[in-house]
Amino acid sequence: DAKTTQPTSMDCAEGRAANLPCNHSTISGNEYVYWYRQIHSQGPQYIIHGLKNNETNEMASLIITEDRKSSTLILPHATLRDTAVYYCIVRVGDNYGQNFVFGPGTRLSVLP
Amino acid sequence: DGGITQSPKYLFRKEGQNVTLSCEQNLNHDAMYWYRQDPGQGLRLIYYSQIVNDFQKGDIAEGYSVSREKKESFPLTVTSAQKNPTAFYLCASSADRVRDTQYFGPGTRLTVL
Repeated sequence: DAKTTQPTSMDCAEGRAANLPCNHSTISGNEYVYWYRQIHSQGPQYIIHGLKNNETNEMASLIITEDRKSSTLILPHATLRDTAVYYCIVRVGDNYGQNFVFGPGTRLSVLP
Repeated sequence: DGGITQSPKYLFRKEGQNVTLSCEQNLNHDAMYWYRQDPGQGLRLIYYSQIVNDFQKGDIAEGYSVSREKKESFPLTVTSAQKNPTAFYLCASSADRVRDTQYFGPGTRLTVL
């Protein structure tokens, strides 16, 4: 079972920031938060991941709350090409290597 | 170009036939994975392999088989025992299963007629 809860769908105006929330209230201390996205009929694309600290890369920013029970993926200036399903996944990265569990995700629609 | 390739993108088969889906990677990754995706659903893990000549069942392995004879290749066979084989199949790889970020191929859409 997925350990995360995400809204089913969201809309965002082109050029505005898209803020995608994820709840992971049962996250353990050694579990990372990963974000992927999937454009229709393509393979999922890795976006970003983090453990405790906020992270930023060329695609997005990841804000993790201090208690780590929730996080937000931020696309700073959404474009039409950012329309996709966004998956939030929590996973342990240790010697036992849990598998990724992809839930239904959030369908983000960027509107012109 | 480095990456993961899956072929073909669309595949049609008659009911009762086995079919093999190709997955190749030139990223020098040790770990490879097969997922299945049904319309409007998330991904479900079929099989994974952490190293050559080793593979493990995922959550929905029944009706599927795999082999890992080479590091670069992880073919998936959908057998006639799989009751609902029509789906979108995704292959992924990672440097290793522990520190991994998984990178996905473009997928193969299998339709059984």
